[in-house]
Amino acid sequence: QQQVKQSPQSLIVQKGGISIINCAYENTAFDYFPWYQQFPGKGPALLIAIRPDVSEKKEGRFTISFNKSAKQFSLHIMDSQPGDSATYFCAASIVAYKYIFGTGTRLKVLA
Amino acid sequence: EAGVAQSPRYKIIEKRQSVAFWCNPISGHATLYWYQQILGQGPKLLIQFQNNGVVDDSQLPKDRFSAERLKGVDSTLKIQPAKLEDSAVYLCASSLAGTGAYEQYFGPGTRLTVT
Repeated sequence: QQQVKQSPQSLIVQKGGISIINCAYENTAFDYFPWYQQFPGKGPALLIAIRPDVSEKKEGRFTISFNKSAKQFSLHIMDSQPGDSATYFCAASIVAYKYIFGTGTRLKVLA
Repeated sequence: EAGVAQSPRYKIIEKRQSVAFWCNPISGHATLYWYQQILGQGPKLLIQFQNNGVVDDSQLPKDRFSAERLKGVDSTLKIQPAKLEDSAVYLCASSLAGTGAYEQYFGPGTRLTVT
């Protein structure tokens, strides 16, 4: 019940295309859903986050869509660029700000 | 604003040896976290500190792992003795207290290889 399931494991997108990464959770006590971006040799960096009382949040080319009834949320990267090539992790936070991370999606954007 | 600092960046040891990692969080961040990230997986929380006190260490293998945060600032994570399965990246993160704790900021990590 504490798991966050992330898919796909890897994703290849053409430059200018839309990248979509999905996550699903079981525990309805989760109350904060961040997405992190990680480049090789670096720590994860907070990209965008949403709370369950909001269905969508957009920051630049990055959008989170949140479906509370389905217990799913997704990251959309519009106009994907080669510089977006990285590993993306979804996470869910429960009481005391404890993160449960997904397994990660390795994104490659072709030039 | 300086980010979370960690050292060393890389460490190679033999099994049964001991190792220690150091973390300096962002100034003013009361909450500090240690995560273990095994290759190909998401980070897994090992221990969470609020100032000097431990908030959650339920996933810390206490027979071999220990951590401390003296004076509520820097923290060290120690493994003794190390096993092959401890090979991973050890990430330190910090956040503000209260509702600001939702945003965690990660350091670059220490890559540990146990041979």
